[in-house]
Amino acid sequence: ETGVTQTPRHLVMGMTNKKSLKCEQHLGHNAMYWYKQSAKKPLELMFVYSLEERVENNSVPSRFSPECPNSSHLFLHLHTLQPEDSALYLCASSQQRRYLTDTQYFGPGTRLTVL
Amino acid sequence: RKEVEQDPGPFNVPEGATVAFNCTYSNSASQSFFWYRQDCRKEPKLLMSVYSSGNEDGRFTAQLNRASQYISLLIRDSKLSDSATYLCVVVGAPANDYKLSFGAGTTVTVRA
Repeated sequence: ETGVTQTPRHLVMGMTNKKSLKCEQHLGHNAMYWYKQSAKKPLELMFVYSLEERVENNSVPSRFSPECPNSSHLFLHLHTLQPEDSALYLCASSQQRRYLTDTQYFGPGTRLTVL
Repeated sequence: RKEVEQDPGPFNVPEGATVAFNCTYSNSASQSFFWYRQDCRKEPKLLMSVYSSGNEDGRFTAQLNRASQYISLLIRDSKLSDSATYLCVVVGAPANDYKLSFGAGTTVTVRA
């Protein structure tokens, strides 16, 4: 399935590096999300964009910086990360930001390892 | 108390068996409930919504118990392909701007 794509699929970086994760959705949706999934822990919602405007930022450290240039693309810029930031980063999209009814479509994720 | 709690399992069941598990939530004003399925090293995908009256989709039955604040998922006639982690998703109250909360998942392994 190619509804939501993410690149890269795997990323290893040092604590002083700067990298970016990319997400693209081909579903015509208006809302996009970044989640962090750590082993044995619930998905953590990091950022929400609706019609390219950031509407939620769930107290995420500033070393994570999102960017949404248009409704189809979402980036997560990373800098000076910590080893505890190693996790699976999932992008998702939905038709609108209607949590009550809208299905979230997830990308395959980027598995990030911070050394 | 965690907002959404699930028994991590694993639930190891033989093919053809029935398996059921619950998910409890802490906010009594929660509005909507879903089950997502996540295969190993794959992304979560919506399995089914959970309605107040309960709902069934083939071999899967979801129930909501508002009084005890839990939802359940029952899988009948288990198939090998049902092996996955099942994530409970709860949408909070309007006062919380409908906060979306995920459980950590319940792992089910169906063996031949």
